Amino acid sequence: QVQLVESGGGLVKPGGSLRLSCAASGFTFSDYYMSWIRQAPGKGLEWVSYISSSSSYTNYADSVKGRFTISRDNAKNSLYLQMNSLRAEDTAVYYCARAVVIKFFDYWGQGTLVTVSS
Amino acid sequence: EIVMTQSPATLSVSPGERATLSCRASQSVSSNLAWYQQKPGQAPRLLIYGASTRATGIPARFSGSGSGTEFTLTISSLQSEDFAVYYCQQYNNWPPRVTFGQGTKLEIK
Repeated sequence: QVQLVESGGGLVKPGGSLRLSCAASGFTFSDYYMSWIRQAPGKGLEWVSYISSSSSYTNYADSVKGRFTISRDNAKNSLYLQMNSLRAEDTAVYYCARAVVIKFFDYWGQGTLVTVSS
Repeated sequence: EIVMTQSPATLSVSPGERATLSCRASQSVSSNLAWYQQKPGQAPRLLIYGASTRATGIPARFSGSGSGTEFTLTISSLQSEDFAVYYCQQYNNWPPRVTFGQGTKLEIK
């Protein structure tokens, strides 16, 4: 069965960096687009970034462009999100999700909490 | 950016009754719309894509309709496990800027 397991969340100071990871299993990872989506505490869902199956295409929400970098390692069935220059408003649960091309998201991980606070 | 607006914010319905949730797009998204269910402490689950196609394993009591700017998620006979928050999401534009609605909380009346 499809499994997505995020890790790497935690408490970081404003201006700091963090790298999230997502370990995928149960499907051919290299065949799928992947995405990060976040949810601030008590709030709705916000798409963060996409990456194509071969890493040739990436896209970001305006709110994170220039600060976050999505990447993947198909040999390790892993997705990553490098987050730099973190702000308080980046505080959220970050979900890794399998994307059906650049459309909708058919499988989600359980999320990892990132808290940006001094 | 395409803005998705869901209504109502909270819907109170009794078990066994029908629930109708609405989602409106600020411009046409054709049929490029998905619905998700999220329970407390859990990740969202895909219910509907292409405005009306049920995802794998989703019960037939869930149905989606609409196109263009107006969409509806209907749950025909509410079960206890259906009380949750529901989000719509569009995926129409290019370059892709996926946007979600703010959610409708479906609560027990």
